[in-house]
Amino acid sequence: EDQVTQSPEALRLQEGESSSLNCSYTVSGLRGLFWYRQDPGKGPEFLFTLYSAGEEKEKERLKATLTKKESFLHITAPKPEDSATYLCAVQINAGNMLTFGGGTRLMVKP
Amino acid sequence: GAGVSQSPSNKVTEKGKDVELRCDPISGHTALYWYRQRLGQGLEFLIYFQGNSAPDKSGLPSDRFSAERTGESVSTLTIQRTQQEDSAVYLCASSLGSLRTQYFGPGTRLTVL
Repeated sequence: EDQVTQSPEALRLQEGESSSLNCSYTVSGLRGLFWYRQDPGKGPEFLFTLYSAGEEKEKERLKATLTKKESFLHITAPKPEDSATYLCAVQINAGNMLTFGGGTRLMVKP
Repeated sequence: GAGVSQSPSNKVTEKGKDVELRCDPISGHTALYWYRQRLGQGLEFLIYFQGNSAPDKSGLPSDRFSAERTGESVSTLTIQRTQQEDSAVYLCASSLGSLRTQYFGPGTRLTVL
C-alpha cells in the first residue's frame, strides 16, 4: 500500500532559524512528488514538483530535494509569513490522484 | 488568470438532507479531482474526471456520494442523505492533463448537524 509520512507534525521556529521538513514515502512507482502550502481556511497552494532522485527546486526561502525514499523541504531564515501547514503528496505511475501525507504545521515566531 | 473556484464556501445542513457542491476548474484544464479533508486529517482522494468521464471513482466512500462533470467545465459533487461523518472540507483541483500539477480551489466547508 502506498504511504506518505510527514515529520514532524508540528514545528515551532524563531524567525531566522533554518530547519527542514521531512516527507518519507513508500510507493510502487513514483511519477512525481509535490509540495503544497496550506493556510488556515484555504486550499493548498502549489509550491514544487520533483520527479527524480537528486532533483532540487528553490523558491525564495524554500528548497525542496528528493531521494529514492524521501523528500525534504528546507526553510532558510524563515519569516512569520512562512507560518502554514506544508503538505507533501505523491503521484504514482498507475494512477492520477495525489496521495497526501498528514502535513507539517509550521509556526514561525518573530 | 482565474483559479479554481468552489461554491458555496460554507454549507450547513441537517442530517439526512442532500447537498450539492460546485467546482469551476481553471479554463482549459481537462482533468478535475475532488478530495476531502476531515478535521485533523490529511486529504483523501474521492474522484477523478478526464473531460466528462470519470475513470477513477475509487475514493468515493459510499453510494451516497456521486459526481458529474459537464464537458471540460463545471463539476458537481452530490452527497445524499448526509451523515455527521460527512462533515469536512471538500476540495476541488484541476490540471492541464492527468499527470500535470493539480491546482486547488478554496474548498467548501460542509457541516452536518
